[in-house]
Amino acid sequence: DQQVKQNSPSLSVQEGRISILNCDYTNSMFDYFLWYKKYPAEGPTFLISISSIKDKNEDGRFTVFLNKSAKHLSLHIVPSQPGDSAVYFCAARVTGNQFYFGTGTSLTVIP
Amino acid sequence: KAGVTQTPRYLIKTRGQQVTLSCSPISGHRSVSWYQQTPGQGLQFLFEYFSETQRNKGNFPGRFSGRQFSNSRSEMNVSTLELGDSALYLCASSLGRTDPNEKLFFGSGTQLSVL
Repeated sequence: DQQVKQNSPSLSVQEGRISILNCDYTNSMFDYFLWYKKYPAEGPTFLISISSIKDKNEDGRFTVFLNKSAKHLSLHIVPSQPGDSAVYFCAARVTGNQFYFGTGTSLTVIP
Repeated sequence: KAGVTQTPRYLIKTRGQQVTLSCSPISGHRSVSWYQQTPGQGLQFLFEYFSETQRNKGNFPGRFSGRQFSNSRSEMNVSTLELGDSALYLCASSLGRTDPNEKLFFGSGTQLSVL
């Protein structure tokens, strides 16, 4: 049972424009959400996170939005750069340090 | 600070064999989690070890097992390998806290191919 879902396997965006990656979840007990970025042949690296008590967190070009009523999470990248091309995974945690990951969205930023 | 180290990077085994993967976490991290990544399935949680005890377990058969040593290094074992076990196995370390700042730090993974 996939508790965290990323329904878009891929996304292409022009350099300089906004990239919006979406994530939906089903478990209302999730208390912490994260986004990871993964390049081929490397492990995922942490990008940005948000606690369930907040609805927005910003770090430079990256902003994560959380809509708890809709059980929806999104990552905005502005402006998008070619180096942002990677697979992005959203993840959610229940208390106790067990993390659930989505299936990933492959972002391609076109120069 | 050294990152998470996983060995070996690549493994080729045949059906029915067993395999052991190793993970050395970041110094000071007490929690080690294991994930399986396959195309279209994302990262599936296998189990988490904290202070040598299995603290959480995902929905994988008993053929998948693990352990953690007193220095926090962890091993994962898969017995009676099946073709469907071919995947990238990722190890992640963390401090093991449950506060909002907890993050997982991943190794580069072990790519297992079962023939």
